[in-house]
This record gives sequence, C-alpha cells and structure tokens, in this order.
Amino acid sequence: GIQVEQSPPDLILQEGANSTLRCNFSDSVNNLQWFHQNPWGQLINLFYIPSGTKQNGRLSATTVATERYSLLYISSSQTTDSGVYFCAVVGTSGSRLTFGEGTQLTVNP
Amino acid sequence: DADVTQTPRNRITKTGKRIMLECSQTKGHDRMYWYRQDPGLGLRLIYYSFDVKDINKGEISDGYSVSRQAQAKFSLSLESAIPNQTALYFCATSDYGTYGYTFGSGTRLTVV
Repeated sequence: GIQVEQSPPDLILQEGANSTLRCNFSDSVNNLQWFHQNPWGQLINLFYIPSGTKQNGRLSATTVATERYSLLYISSSQTTDSGVYFCAVVGTSGSRLTFGEGTQLTVNP
Repeated sequence: DADVTQTPRNRITKTGKRIMLECSQTKGHDRMYWYRQDPGLGLRLIYYSFDVKDINKGEISDGYSVSRQAQAKFSLSLESAIPNQTALYFCATSDYGTYGYTFGSGTRLTVV
C-alpha cells in the first residue's frame, strides 16, 4: 500500500516563530488531508488538498502532486497550535485514508 | 450537533468483556470507517463500509467486528476485550465524490 512519511517527528518552537512540516508519499493520490490533533485527542481537519495551495489564517498548505509531497506552513505560532499534525492520503489505486505517524509540535510561551 | 457522533467518549472495561462502540453521522455519506490510534502513533484502519451491505476488513481487524445498521450508523464490537486493545478509537465518514474525510471526537477505551 501507499507509504506516508512525515518530518520532522518532533518540533519545539517559541511563540511567534514560523514552521514548515513536510509529508512525502509513495504514490499518486486522490486525497490528501492535514489534521491537527489537540491535547484532548480531537482530530481537526485543517486542509483537504490533493494538489495546489490553500490558506486559512496563519496556516497554509501546498501539495506538489507530481513530486509526491505536501507542506504545511504555520506562521506566527501560538501555544494553542501545540499538538500532533497528521498528513493522510488516499492513493489513486486505493480507497482508504492512510496516515503518517505525525509531527509533534510544542509551542512554548 | 456534531456531524459524526461517537458514544461513549470514555470507557473502562475488564478483560474478557464484550463492548460496543457506536457511531452515527448526519453528513449523509455512504462510506464509514473505524480507526484505532495507539499512543505516539498514527491512525490504523480496523474496518470500513462503503454502503449498508458492504463490510471490509482493514489493516488490524483481528479481535474486532462491525455492524452497519443503517446508512448513518456503524458500530464496532470487541467480543472479548484484552488489554492491548486499550487505545483511542475514531469513526470517520467520507463521500465518494470528494474523498474528504470527517472524523468523530473519538472514544478512549481502557481494558484492565
């Protein structure tokens, strides 16, 4: 099946800093989503982005489907951005969402 | 009301007990899924269903069973719970056209 690799596995920032999270995938995709899992365990859907670029406030994402990667940008980070960020994909030859292992982000005040 | 509702939110049960986790959705989606998350790991697929008469095993179906009672309801059962089934369980839905997934808030299950 399709493989999803996220980097870095852990990231510690000071409040106000910017960061870039990366997701590499091993095959063509129909679906790519970025999720934020908050400290209470809830999964929040950030972006549905199988290709192109989207922005939502301080967050933006870019997927370069031909090169099989996606980037999540967080600008002016806040302590509430802390948590785990997951990339998940559905391959063109598959039908199920496959998750990476996530990036644990800690934003210190 | 949430689009995807899971009950219970938290559950502690004893080894050997049967337990059912329930999921209902108001999205009108045909496709429903059960995922499991272990500490420090991503989500892994247990079972999925593309319509009421369709049930498919995922990566880690051993020890679990499911029932799709209606388009809007998909339940997960542990016939005889064991401690290594302690995890956070998520239900999700998707629509064939968009492929975007919506997740419930999760059920935190502890087997003692």
